[in-house]
Amino acid sequence: GDSVTQMEGPVTLSEEAFLTINCTYTATGYPSLFWYVQYPGEGLQLLLKATKADDKGSNKGFEATYRKETTSFHLEKGSVQVSDSAVYFCALSDNDSSNTGKLIFGQGTTLQVKP
Amino acid sequence: ETGVTQTPRHLVMGMTNKKSLKCEQHLGHNAMYWYKQSAKKPLELMFVYNFKEQTENNSVPSRFSPECPNSSHLFLHLHTLQPEDSALYLCASSRGLAGVHYEQYFGPGTRLTVT
Repeated sequence: GDSVTQMEGPVTLSEEAFLTINCTYTATGYPSLFWYVQYPGEGLQLLLKATKADDKGSNKGFEATYRKETTSFHLEKGSVQVSDSAVYFCALSDNDSSNTGKLIFGQGTTLQVKP
Repeated sequence: ETGVTQTPRHLVMGMTNKKSLKCEQHLGHNAMYWYKQSAKKPLELMFVYNFKEQTENNSVPSRFSPECPNSSHLFLHLHTLQPEDSALYLCASSRGLAGVHYEQYFGPGTRLTVT
């Protein structure tokens, strides 16, 4: 079945460092891909998404490019801030069974940014 | 209140207790979801409701019983739980069944501990 794999955390960075969180997926169809963020004590929020190959999603300085050839959707940010400390989830929605309500999530990667 | 709210935020229960988790969304959405979030594991979809009708039961044990009396409210009734059921239970909603077109909005979760 479809699955999402994220890099193990926690990822600890100093403020203004470059961030990469790896995400790879397995899917039988042509999925849409998402990054969600969970700040401490809160629910998940959609950070960005991409719906087809080579699309780039971006929001709040974060970017991720849908790479079909490597089945990847790595999250990047050029200069992280302490306020970016959170848990980041990669997820997919299989477009072949569109609008079934199913999102498949990775296990989450904790980011800690130190001043 | 705005968004998706969940009560209680924390719950400790014994294995023989019966309790209920409540979720309410103030967004006018038609689809609602229960997820289980365990440490170091991917988010697990449990149930999906669309216009009050259950459309997905992801092989959830019968000791978890969902109820959706209307599009704004979702309950998860719990009885004879096991310690391995301890987790963060997240509720989400979306305008339509989530996928490419409809973003899911999450509540802050109920932290459940089964003793």
